[in-house]
Amino acid sequence: EDKVVQSPLSLVVHEGDTVTLNCSYEVTNFRSLLWYKQEKKAPTFLFMLTSSGIEKKSGRLSSILDKKELFSILNITATQTGDSAIYLCAVGNMNYGGSQGNLIFGKGTKLSVKP
Amino acid sequence: NAGVTQTPKFQVLKTGQSMTLQCAQDMNHEYMSWYRQDPGMGLRLIHYSVGAGITDQGEVPNGYNVSRSTTEDFPLRLLSAAPSQTSVYFCASSSGTGPLYFGPGTRLTVL
Repeated sequence: EDKVVQSPLSLVVHEGDTVTLNCSYEVTNFRSLLWYKQEKKAPTFLFMLTSSGIEKKSGRLSSILDKKELFSILNITATQTGDSAIYLCAVGNMNYGGSQGNLIFGKGTKLSVKP
Repeated sequence: NAGVTQTPKFQVLKTGQSMTLQCAQDMNHEYMSWYRQDPGMGLRLIHYSVGAGITDQGEVPNGYNVSRSTTEDFPLRLLSAAPSQTSVYFCASSSGTGPLYFGPGTRLTVL
């Protein structure tokens, strides 16, 4: 059975800290791994990773994929209170007609950044 | 572009009632899907469509129907609402090679 496991489930840090969120997966016919940020509304897209070892970066956020060890990490440096959210990891497989869109989601990591 | 839109934002139903959740996208995406999000369960795929006239079941399809008569619209029908269908429903779309983009969600309560 395909699954995506995120850790930790929740995390409390102070502003300025650096955090690392983990995502491991077991998915047949892997196609891509995606990270989303969810505040009190819909998930918003952060990164999509398809190749191993290539870091994606956007401001203070970065992510990397290891397809051999079947995991990804999301790093946030110099955290701010606005980073408080649930971070979702999702993996796309090619079982559903080859569509990128059929994603299997982890349960998320709830990050709380205190001032 | 409006992106992915959903209506209504909130809905309360009684057990046994039926209703349709509307979803539309203006990005000309071929792929559309419906997810439900429940505490402790994460996002689970209900139904999806890879193009007009083509739909298929996801992980939790029971109690729901979909149709895709146009590229833009992908409504989700609850046939006979049950309390277990109380959830937040997200419609999403993608180009097939790009990421999934989500609508704002519908919070449904079934009494």
